[in-house]
Amino acid sequence: DARVTQTPRHKVTEMGQEVTMRCQPILGHNTVFWYRQTMMQGLELLAYFRNRAPLDDSGMPKDRFSAEMPDATLATLKIQPSEPRDSAVYFCASGLGQGADEQFFGPGTRLTVL
Amino acid sequence: DQQVKQNSPSLSVQEGRISILNCDYTNSMFDYFLWYKKYPAEGPTFLISISSIKDKNEDGRFTVFLNKSAKHLSLHIVPSQPGDSAVYFCAASDSGTYKYIFGTGTRLKVLA
Repeated sequence: DARVTQTPRHKVTEMGQEVTMRCQPILGHNTVFWYRQTMMQGLELLAYFRNRAPLDDSGMPKDRFSAEMPDATLATLKIQPSEPRDSAVYFCASGLGQGADEQFFGPGTRLTVL
Repeated sequence: DQQVKQNSPSLSVQEGRISILNCDYTNSMFDYFLWYKKYPAEGPTFLISISSIKDKNEDGRFTVFLNKSAKHLSLHIVPSQPGDSAVYFCAASDSGTYKYIFGTGTRLKVLA
């Protein structure tokens, strides 16, 4: 049963600390997306990759957020330093990258910054 | 500026009746649209999609209608079941970009 996995599922941290969220896309998928879900904005696209190359990270606050794909089986989203307004659920999704196709979402990481 | 809008944050429907969820978009370059369903503490799951070359796509109890001139799509669920209670997101894409823009979601509650 192929699924996108995300770790950790929950993270509570203090303002100013570094946070790293990890995602393992479905094997064979070559597009990876990071989203943030907030009450006001719904699902916001933060960044996405195709074949490990970043295609668009315009949704991310550049000064504190960074997204990388060290290899095809791992995507990371880092926040440094974290702020209370970063509290949200962060989702990773992967897809086959064949034009417009469905994305498969992970279960999300719920981040709380105190 | 929200390019994809779901103006109804919530909707309640009696079991067995029709649920209609609406979505509007502003970017005329969007040519592929999807609906996702999300239960609490889970990631969204794909429900149904439609390409801009069609105006209707049906899958069991779920039908999506697309009105390109109005830049509007809707999801119909008939008959609605209590298990359909979830948050529904519509998403739109310019298929050349691999990138989806999501709406803010509509919380559907189906009353038994």
